[in-house]
Amino acid sequence: EAQVTQNPRYLITVTGKKLTVTCSQNMNHEYMSWYRQDPGLGLRQIYYSMNVEVTDKGDVPEGYKVSRKEKRNFPLILESPSPNQTSLYFCASSFRDRGSRSYNEQFFGPGTRLTVL
Amino acid sequence: RKEVEQDPGPFNVPEGATVAFNCTYSNSASQSFFWYRQDCRKEPKLLMSVYSSGNEDGRFTAQLNRASQYISLLIRDSKLSDSATYLCVVYRGGNKLVFGAGTILRVKS
Repeated sequence: EAQVTQNPRYLITVTGKKLTVTCSQNMNHEYMSWYRQDPGLGLRQIYYSMNVEVTDKGDVPEGYKVSRKEKRNFPLILESPSPNQTSLYFCASSFRDRGSRSYNEQFFGPGTRLTVL
Repeated sequence: RKEVEQDPGPFNVPEGATVAFNCTYSNSASQSFFWYRQDCRKEPKLLMSVYSSGNEDGRFTAQLNRASQYISLLIRDSKLSDSATYLCVVYRGGNKLVFGAGTILRVKS
């Protein structure tokens, strides 16, 4: 089954304790992205990756890191989580944009609900 | 001002009703437009693309007005299963999507 998986699905942690949220896709997509969703603000892009070893900042990258060592995996790292990073996080993947006017449907993972105390 | 703005609702409608949502965007260089559906804080899923000529998919009709920079979604003959949050999404190019905050629809029997 074609899918994007995220782990953990739920996490409660404390300020300053490093954590990693994993994301994996089995569709051979080049493009992967992380979003956070907060009430009234919609989904905001944190980081994205166009391919292996290629990552770039989205709209809200502060406090986050990512890596793309393999095509299928795109972990999100919070080195020192703070309460303002409490949110619902989604990983997404798609085929890479092949032209300025092309678009490929984003496939989202099931989400990770993170609470930082 | 947000780049993509939607009326948050909620829109409470009876089964069988017709309901319309609007969305405005501020970046005139936006290239493509979409509606995604999100159920109860689950992952968003693509509902339909929005084309300049307007397009229809069953009970759903999407329209784009580039001059006024707004997008609409019309749902006819609403079903209970249509209850969800509808996200207006704008594609800027370079795999960059901008999401609206969503409009909540509740269809009641």
